[in-house]
Amino acid sequence: KNQVEQSPQSLIILEGKNCTLQCNYTVSPFSNLRWYKQDTGRGPVSLTIMTFSENTKSNGRYTATLDADTKQSSLHITASQLSDSASYICVVSDRGSTLGRLYFGRGTQLTVWP
Amino acid sequence: EADIYQTPRYLVIGTGKKITLECSQTMGHDKMYWYQQDPGMELHLIHYSYGVNSTEKGDLSSESTVSRIRTEHFPLTLESARPSHTSQYLCASSEPTGSSSPLHFGNGTRLTVT
Repeated sequence: KNQVEQSPQSLIILEGKNCTLQCNYTVSPFSNLRWYKQDTGRGPVSLTIMTFSENTKSNGRYTATLDADTKQSSLHITASQLSDSASYICVVSDRGSTLGRLYFGRGTQLTVWP
Repeated sequence: EADIYQTPRYLVIGTGKKITLECSQTMGHDKMYWYQQDPGMELHLIHYSYGVNSTEKGDLSSESTVSRIRTEHFPLTLESARPSHTSQYLCASSEPTGSSSPLHFGNGTRLTVT
């Protein structure tokens, strides 16, 4: 069964600290993995996409990694800011059809305290 | 700033009422989607469209219907609302370039059925 599991479910850190969010998936055949950030009361916004051949990709203070062998991805946030408080959602796409079906994780709720 | 707009942002209605959730995008995307999101849960696809006059049901069984008469407009209708329909409804669109294109989300409609 194709699934996406995220951990932790929630996380509280102090401003300026680093943190790492995890995403494990069983989706096959794999096409890509995307991280979204969803602020409270807003729709999700794409942060980065990881394809099979990519190991690491950075977007400002966000760095995503992908290990396609173990089917794991992480999102590392450096020097956290209050504005990083949000839900971070991992979404995996398969390539079993032209549809490119998406599998969503339940998200990690990150709270950054001053 | 999002180029996909949902109205209303919040809606509280009584059981049995007919409602329409509006979604419009200005990006010219052919693909549009409706997702349902409950707290702490993954997004569930309820309807999608690949273009004008093309609509399909998603994974989640839904009593709603959609129409796609114009590229930019993808409304969702509930003929008779029930308390079980209480949820957040997110509209999204994407470019027709397979699964590598990100979803662009609106800010959602939070529906409460009393």
